[in-house]
Amino acid sequence: SQQGEEDPQALSIQEGENATMNCSYKTSINNLQWYRQNSGRGLVHLILIRSNEREKHSGRLRVTLDTSKKSSSLLITASRAADTASYFCATDRASNTGKLIFGQGTTLQVKP
Amino acid sequence: GAGVSQSPSNKVTEKGKDVELRCDPISGHTALYWYRQRLGQGLEFLIYFQGNSAPDKSGLPSDRFSAERTGESVSTLTIQRTQQEDSAVYLCASSSRGSGRTYEQYFGPGTRLTVT
Repeated sequence: SQQGEEDPQALSIQEGENATMNCSYKTSINNLQWYRQNSGRGLVHLILIRSNEREKHSGRLRVTLDTSKKSSSLLITASRAADTASYFCATDRASNTGKLIFGQGTTLQVKP
Repeated sequence: GAGVSQSPSNKVTEKGKDVELRCDPISGHTALYWYRQRLGQGLEFLIYFQGNSAPDKSGLPSDRFSAERTGESVSTLTIQRTQQEDSAVYLCASSSRGSGRTYEQYFGPGTRLTVT
């Protein structure tokens, strides 16, 4: 079964607005990662946040992690049409099997 | 150098035929993963190779699916007697790994398999 669950499943916003996606997970983790996927092909790594971190920034991306609530959020500020894609969270479990468990993803549409 | 490459990029096969998908990971990456993604869905873990350790096959959906990896290089995913429900994009990823932690994965472009 999937570890992560994203919400919303789909999000549609206007260019310039901020987009927030959430991810919840079930077991203790070493780190949580966010990936982006265009057109159903290969995923691109966006950002990794470790279990002892609470917030991380990369350009227009801001990720938060709340281990007490087992949840994370990805905020994209000042969105652009080019941000249209699917976004997935993935967790590296503390049991450290060496594999990531991906959620079902959030589909983001940014309208120009 | 180069990123993760996969071949073929597209494969159309008839039900009942065997197919072989190939993945070339990034040089030096010890971990290699295969995922399946059905249309509009998330990634489904299939199998994971880490160095010379026994692979984690816990995600393989049936005994028609198998995968091999030669050392820390090329991997092949084989699907025998393909069924229509095998139609999906098969994604390969590689990663470096150390100190008992898992780092970011680098994905190939995927192989889109269509079983008719």
